[in-house]
Amino acid sequence: AQSVAQPEDQVNVAEGNPLTVKCTYSVSGNPYLFWYVQYPNRGLQFLLKYITGDNLVKGSYGFEAEFNKSQTSFHLKKPSALVSDSALYFCAVSALDSSYKLIFGSGTRLLVRP
Amino acid sequence: DTAVSQTPKYLVTQMGNDKSIKCEQNLGHDTMYWYKQDSKKFLKIMFSYNNKELIINETVPNRFSPKSPDKAHLNLHINSLELGDSAVYFCASSQARTGNTGELFFGEGSRLTVL
Repeated sequence: AQSVAQPEDQVNVAEGNPLTVKCTYSVSGNPYLFWYVQYPNRGLQFLLKYITGDNLVKGSYGFEAEFNKSQTSFHLKKPSALVSDSALYFCAVSALDSSYKLIFGSGTRLLVRP
Repeated sequence: DTAVSQTPKYLVTQMGNDKSIKCEQNLGHDTMYWYKQDSKKFLKIMFSYNNKELIINETVPNRFSPKSPDKAHLNLHINSLELGDSAVYFCASSQARTGNTGELFFGEGSRLTVL
């Protein structure tokens, strides 16, 4: 069965510093990988996805993520964090072995301090 | 224009009651979903409909019954509410079947509190 893990409950970073939010996955076959962001009392918003092709994908608000097949990872990154990036971030995966259901990780809270 | 809208946004009710949450999307998508987010923010899929056909039905108590009158609407009815049903319920839609390559568009959520 497919699964996705976000090992950090919270990531703290100073404004202007680079940030990384980690995600690893487990699927049979080729994964489709996604990042979503949730602001307080709001629904999830799509940030970016990897389906095929270039391992480095760029998304909204200056975020990017790198697909690493050998490490089964899809870490979210941003070169320079903003206070407004503070939110809850979810990694998600879908694949053939679960009929392409989108399965979410447990979420990582990003706190960017001024 | 709100793409995916849910009503009500907040719902407080007593144990044993029956309640419904409504969802509508104006994106022209064929597929709609219900997700449950618990107090620890863990998000779990409950149901998915593609063009009014049920395609995903996770291990959810049969007190929960989805209904899709047309592809733009997916409602969730819950019978005999229990304390453990307290959560935020999110409706979502996608162009692709089961959301495998296309992103999901989420509503703002409906916070259900069972007393």
